[in-house]
Amino acid sequence: NAGVMQNPRHLVRRRGQEARLRCSPMKGHSHVYWYRQLPEEGLKFMVYLQKENIIDESGMPKERFSAEFPKEGPSILRIQQVVRGDSAAYFCASSPRTGRSYGYTFGSGTRLTVV
Amino acid sequence: DQQVKQNSPSLSVQEGRISILNCDYTNSMFDYFLWYKKYPAEGPTFLISISSIKDKNEDGRFTVFLNKSAKHLSLHIVPSQPGDSAVYFCAASVEANAGKSTFGDGTTLTVKP
Repeated sequence: NAGVMQNPRHLVRRRGQEARLRCSPMKGHSHVYWYRQLPEEGLKFMVYLQKENIIDESGMPKERFSAEFPKEGPSILRIQQVVRGDSAAYFCASSPRTGRSYGYTFGSGTRLTVV
Repeated sequence: DQQVKQNSPSLSVQEGRISILNCDYTNSMFDYFLWYKKYPAEGPTFLISISSIKDKNEDGRFTVFLNKSAKHLSLHIVPSQPGDSAVYFCAASVEANAGKSTFGDGTTLTVKP
């Protein structure tokens, strides 16, 4: 039973390019959460999605960032026109349902470096 | 305004002794708390959680204590092992959606053999 799969593990982009980060949740999980971790900081919530729906995007920057979780395929976090400040580790977590649980399963993350 | 704070960036203990990691929160709406362990280049791994209706939860060597009046929780690891060396994150949420958690900045625990 594969865990949460994120790819690529490392991504290097030049300023102004687009970054696409993919997250395949665990089998049977229909809820996906994206977090960002800046160096020396904790994880910051970005967005919560269910299949084909954005439920809560209160942590997403207003511009350049978007997320989707289509009916088929992985969830995608898209960053347009990347800037140096976007360099961070991006993690996704999945769960079979919302609410209290025994913890949410995180992927290993994508480390984005903007040069 | 940081709603979840881990004031000790690092902690070093001897193998076999107790490790105590602390966490403070400010938002009274939080009613569910989680601890995660994280190794470099990996995602956080869930360790233990506690609901605000309890003041203690135990799982093997790990115990979490919650003091609601002080808005403080702590994670005790007894006995500490070298494999416990990692970054520990405290996270808080409203139970209705524990997937949307507010994390502290983490405490790096080093357990010396």
